[in-house]
Amino acid sequence: DVKVTQSSRYLVKRTGEKVFLECVQDMDHENMFWYRQDPGLGLRLIYFSYDVKMKEKGDIPEGYSVSREKKERFSLILESASTNQTSMYLCASSIDHSPLHFGNGTRLTVT
Amino acid sequence: AQSVTQLDSHVSVSEGTPVLLRCNYSSSYSPSLFWYVQHPNKGLQLLLKYTSAATLVKGINGFEAEFKKSETSFHLTKPSAHMSDAAEYFCVVSDPPGANNLFFGTGTRLTVIP
Repeated sequence: DVKVTQSSRYLVKRTGEKVFLECVQDMDHENMFWYRQDPGLGLRLIYFSYDVKMKEKGDIPEGYSVSREKKERFSLILESASTNQTSMYLCASSIDHSPLHFGNGTRLTVT
Repeated sequence: AQSVTQLDSHVSVSEGTPVLLRCNYSSSYSPSLFWYVQHPNKGLQLLLKYTSAATLVKGINGFEAEFKKSETSFHLTKPSAHMSDAAEYFCVVSDPPGANNLFFGTGTRLTVIP
């Protein structure tokens, strides 16, 4: 069974801090994704990656960057956290056009 | 343009009664459609998917959905609700099919009353 692991369940950071959210998958999937989930807005795609060192912007990339140095790991970086980035962040992976497999999420609070 | 509309933000049913969660979509191509479930403090789990085969799709935990092209609908149903079905449900369209072409509905929260 595919396992997508997000390193933190809850994070509290201060405005202006640099924040790293880590995601690891164990099934050799090429595709990895970062979404944020907000009440009433569903899931919105921040960035995705089709391969190592590849990245593509999603619908809301502003204020975020990503890193994919190894196939199994996809990191989301908030260069300077702001309060409007308080949200639930979900990582997912997939192979080809198969459905996404999601991690359990990281709930980030920026104060 | 592609979009997904979940017609109810909150549905409440009694245990043992049928569940109906409604989803309408718009697409330019032949879409793939999915339902995901999210239990509290968990990620999303795939319930079922439609990818242009049979229009009635059976998923896990007794759920099923019917693709109706003429109505552009993909409603999720279950004959008898269980307490463990209480969760948030997301309808998703992939159009054209592809992992980076996913459009998520805003979710329907299902409450099951004992």
